[in-house]
Amino acid sequence: NAGVTQTPKFQVLKTGQSMTLQCAQDMNHEYMSWYRQDPGMGLRLIHYSVGAGITDQGEVPNGYNVSRSTTEDFPLRLLSAAPSQTSVYFCASRGRGFTEAFFGQGTRLTVV
Amino acid sequence: SQELEQSPQSLIVQEGKNLTINCTSSKTLYGLYWYKQKYGEGLIFLMMLQKGGEEKSHEKITAKLDEKKQQSSLHITASQPSHAGIYLCGAVGGTSYGKLTFGQGTILTVHP
Repeated sequence: NAGVTQTPKFQVLKTGQSMTLQCAQDMNHEYMSWYRQDPGMGLRLIHYSVGAGITDQGEVPNGYNVSRSTTEDFPLRLLSAAPSQTSVYFCASRGRGFTEAFFGQGTRLTVV
Repeated sequence: SQELEQSPQSLIVQEGKNLTINCTSSKTLYGLYWYKQKYGEGLIFLMMLQKGGEEKSHEKITAKLDEKKQQSSLHITASQPSHAGIYLCGAVGGTSYGKLTFGQGTILTVHP
């Protein structure tokens, strides 16, 4: 089992560029989430999904899109990168109900 | 939406001292997670609590969910430098459990 796999680990973008952060899990989990972590801000929820085809906004969704076409994958798209999106991004997955959340190793994104 | 506030935001203790971190929710907690993060690394699962009054321990770390289910505390006994890091509490909103949000984190420093 690989658990939750995020790619890439590091990325530098220029302002205005678009890109997709990949997240895949092999545990057949229904719930998946994307967070960003900034100094002193903890983890802030961007978008989440409770199953294939179902997504919803979190606390800070602006500038990001998600889709969930399969149970395994939950990509996060930055439409037009801005310096304010410089952050560390974490993907997480959980099974149905109240179960442990498994996190990827994070993607460190810098927008210049 | 559910908001989680952690206190203190940062804590510096001498090795061997006991300490407590609190996590207070604006709404009833249906499930509460505690995670630890080493600087620049991923998240390590500590424990999760669901029932009011529930208390769990792992090595020298004890977490409790209060009876009214709007606050949790994390207590470390005889702290060690290995306990240093960022402690994050997370909560699921409502009974659907799909949305998992986190507090802003508590930075713990343990001096040898």
